[in-house]
Amino acid sequence: ELKVEQNPLFLSMQEGKNYTIYCNYSTTSDRLYWYRQDPGKSLESLFVLLSNGAVKQEGRLMASLDTKARLSTLHITAAVHDLSATYFCAVDSYGGSQGNLIFGKGTKLSVKP
Amino acid sequence: IAGITQAPTSQILAAGRRMTLRCTQDMRHNAMYWYRQDLGLGLRLIHYSNTAGTTGKGEVPDGYSVSRANTDDFPLTLASAVPSQTSVYFCASSKGTGARAYGYTFGSGTRLTVV
Repeated sequence: ELKVEQNPLFLSMQEGKNYTIYCNYSTTSDRLYWYRQDPGKSLESLFVLLSNGAVKQEGRLMASLDTKARLSTLHITAAVHDLSATYFCAVDSYGGSQGNLIFGKGTKLSVKP
Repeated sequence: IAGITQAPTSQILAAGRRMTLRCTQDMRHNAMYWYRQDLGLGLRLIHYSNTAGTTGKGEVPDGYSVSRANTDDFPLTLASAVPSQTSVYFCASSKGTGARAYGYTFGSGTRLTVV
């Protein structure tokens, strides 16, 4: 059974600081997604990482994938309040019994002035 | 606007009652999914359908049923609701199926409270 672990689960940051969210998974996959969720809202797709070594950047967020280490990171540079949200990683299990996307529990990010 | 429409947006339901959550997509995606989101647990798959006429069980299927009569609609039914089914339910769809699935899209969710 594929397991996906995110850490930290809660993150309180000051504006202007940098930090990294980690997503570890337990079995082979080379397809990983990052989503953002604002309170009471749906999931917004941030990044799709499709191969080992993939790196994608959008604004202050950068995501990377190391399939050998079964690890993805979401790096936040110079955080601003607007980045406050819950961030989920989801690993593609290629249609196994758990379904395609196996989600981590999420990291609730709070950016304070 | 292409996407997924879920209804209702929220509902308070008495325990023991039957309830159907509706999900419609207009993207002609083959695969559709129902997830439930609970605090601290992330999203967990309830049921899925890779194509019209077929459905499959996900990680937490007990107490739920689905049907897929056509490509666009994927309703989720709670036959006899219990308080543990209080959750936020998200419908999703994807292009392709199984190992070829991609382009996931999520609906806006249904917040269900069973009392």
